[in-house]
Amino acid sequence: KAGVTQTPRYLIKTRGQQVTLSCSPISGHRSVSWYQQTPGQGLQFLFEYFSETQRNKGNFPGRFSGRQFSNSRSEMNVSTLELGDSALYLCASSLDTSYEQYFGPGTRLTVT
Amino acid sequence: AQTVTQSQPEMSVQEAETVTLSCTYDTSESNYYLFWYKQPPSRQMILVIRQEAYKQQNATENRFSVNFQKAAKSFSLKISDSQLGDTAMYFCAFGANSGYALNFGKGTSLLVTP
Repeated sequence: KAGVTQTPRYLIKTRGQQVTLSCSPISGHRSVSWYQQTPGQGLQFLFEYFSETQRNKGNFPGRFSGRQFSNSRSEMNVSTLELGDSALYLCASSLDTSYEQYFGPGTRLTVT
Repeated sequence: AQTVTQSQPEMSVQEAETVTLSCTYDTSESNYYLFWYKQPPSRQMILVIRQEAYKQQNATENRFSVNFQKAAKSFSLKISDSQLGDTAMYFCAFGANSGYALNFGKGTSLLVTP
């Protein structure tokens, strides 16, 4: 089975712009979670989707949003980018969150 | 809210030796599960081992084993016969059936030296 894929792998944006990141889960996995990883804050949960429904959301401002499509692929969007949004954004998929989560390689976002 | 604490920011071990990474957590949940993940330098996060809280038996995966002490809320990872490829950041993670999210510790950077 193919693993979790994330596109793009690297992204450079300017403050104030918006960005969309994409995640394709492992075939058959219906749960997709997003995490932000930074050296200072570590791994922080953004949100989780299951069958197109957001079941949980972390403590992030409304500029961070996401969605899941009927094929379980997921996107996350960050509007009005700030310098502090520079991070590695990780997507993870699982059959459900009580099972193992498998991570993608991440998207490295740099905001200048 | 659940918290996960890894008290060892960095550790070092010689090849072929055994090392134990510590993790404690705090929760009021009764149904939960715990993971150790490994993130090699500039590489993908990989699941190392998983433990369900209702299971008393400690999980084992080849050279990796855990010491799960539910009452003490402790979940340590033992790596036996350490190899150079074990060099990585190791994260302890907590998940509750009701939460739909994993809470991660800050990580322990493990360096395996020849």
